[in-house]
Amino acid sequence: GNSVTQMEGPVTLSEEAFLTINCTYTATGYPSLFWYVQYPGEGLQLLLKATKADDKGSNKGFEATYRKETTSFHLEKGSVQVSDSAVYFCALPGSGNTGKLIFGQGTTLQVKP
Amino acid sequence: DAGVIQSPRHEVTEMGQEVTLRCKPISGHNSLFWYRQTMMRGLELLIYFNNNVPIDDSGMPEDRFSAKMPNASFSTLKIQPSEPRDSAVYFCASSQDRKTYGYTFGSGTRLTVV
Repeated sequence: GNSVTQMEGPVTLSEEAFLTINCTYTATGYPSLFWYVQYPGEGLQLLLKATKADDKGSNKGFEATYRKETTSFHLEKGSVQVSDSAVYFCALPGSGNTGKLIFGQGTTLQVKP
Repeated sequence: DAGVIQSPRHEVTEMGQEVTLRCKPISGHNSLFWYRQTMMRGLELLIYFNNNVPIDDSGMPEDRFSAKMPNASFSTLKIQPSEPRDSAVYFCASSQDRKTYGYTFGSGTRLTVV
């Protein structure tokens, strides 16, 4: 079945550093891919998505490109801020017409001033 | 839209008591999901509904857990009897088109069983 693997955290960066959080997937076909973010004490929020191969999703300075050749959807940001400190989840739909999203284990990002 | 609304935000109960968590999905969304989040196990899907019908409850831990969706605007997750190991944050999420739009999550209910 479909699955997703994220790099382990925590990731600790200084403000204005470049961020990459790796995500690779295994899937049948080319499902939509998602990044969610969870700020402390809150629920998950959709950060960005890509619905087909070679699409680039972007939001709030974050970007991720759907790369079918490497089955990856890495999250990047050129200059992180303290306010970006959160847990980031990569996700894709489950196999078949199940209606559920499969989430990665989450990567904690801590940005220090 | 007010988003997905969960209640209560926090619940502290004694072991053995019944706990009911509530969720109001976004109007027009036809899929609803209950997740549990803990430090040890991360984010676990417990059950999900499509058009008010339970589709997959394989993630429900045991018979102490039950979920209902009597109509399109309301769902409950009940734990009876509760145990300390049930302590977690429980999230409800809804989706209009799961394959394109993703989920909208509620703010969660933090359950503590003492």
